[in-house]
Amino acid sequence: SAVISQKPSRDICQRGTSLTIQCQVDSQVTMMFWYRQQPGQSLTLIATANQGSEATYESGFVIDKFPISRPNLTFSTLTVSNMSPEDSSIYLCSVEPTRNTEAFFGQGTRLTVV
Amino acid sequence: LAKTTQPISMDSYEGQEVNITCSHNNIATNDYITWYQQFPSQGPRFIIQGYKTKVTNEVASLFIPADRKSSTLSLPRVSLSDTAVYYCLVGGTGRRALTFGSGTRLQVQP
Repeated sequence: SAVISQKPSRDICQRGTSLTIQCQVDSQVTMMFWYRQQPGQSLTLIATANQGSEATYESGFVIDKFPISRPNLTFSTLTVSNMSPEDSSIYLCSVEPTRNTEAFFGQGTRLTVV
Repeated sequence: LAKTTQPISMDSYEGQEVNITCSHNNIATNDYITWYQQFPSQGPRFIIQGYKTKVTNEVASLFIPADRKSSTLSLPRVSLSDTAVYYCLVGGTGRRALTFGSGTRLQVQP
């Protein structure tokens, strides 16, 4: 199993500013995933972050808007840059440890942009 | 990844058995079927996974017919705390991102 600590749990930010979300895992994992969940919607994959390489972004998401760091096997950050009200969502990190068949998710970061 | 289709919402009462069916007509030979549960303000949580026939754990049962083009999540004797969104996913296992469909919003009433 894996326990994920995600910070902050929520924040209210001014448009035009940036917020960095942290994701800490209690075990080493090769891949970490960042998802966005807009109000009342399902989860959408933003990017996959491997340690030691640049993140791979899904269609519709770009590095300039959502820069990701992955400095080691237990930690990652997602930054939401130059925020607008449309960025108001829940952002979740997830891992799927190699030997498991299930994914584990953080509690999510509820972001409100005003 | 195979696309999934499931009902948008379902209502039930405490103590009843709830069956949520998911269609996945384009499932690949090496795809598994996995169900996740999500409560408000929480990340999704794994419920059960299967490849064929029937799988049962302490939380639910998963029924998969021989053609594997659909699956049914069965929740025995639901309680109010089972009110959540349930997602059906199909895909390979191990170190890969998940593709979430729309999910089924289950509302359990007293």
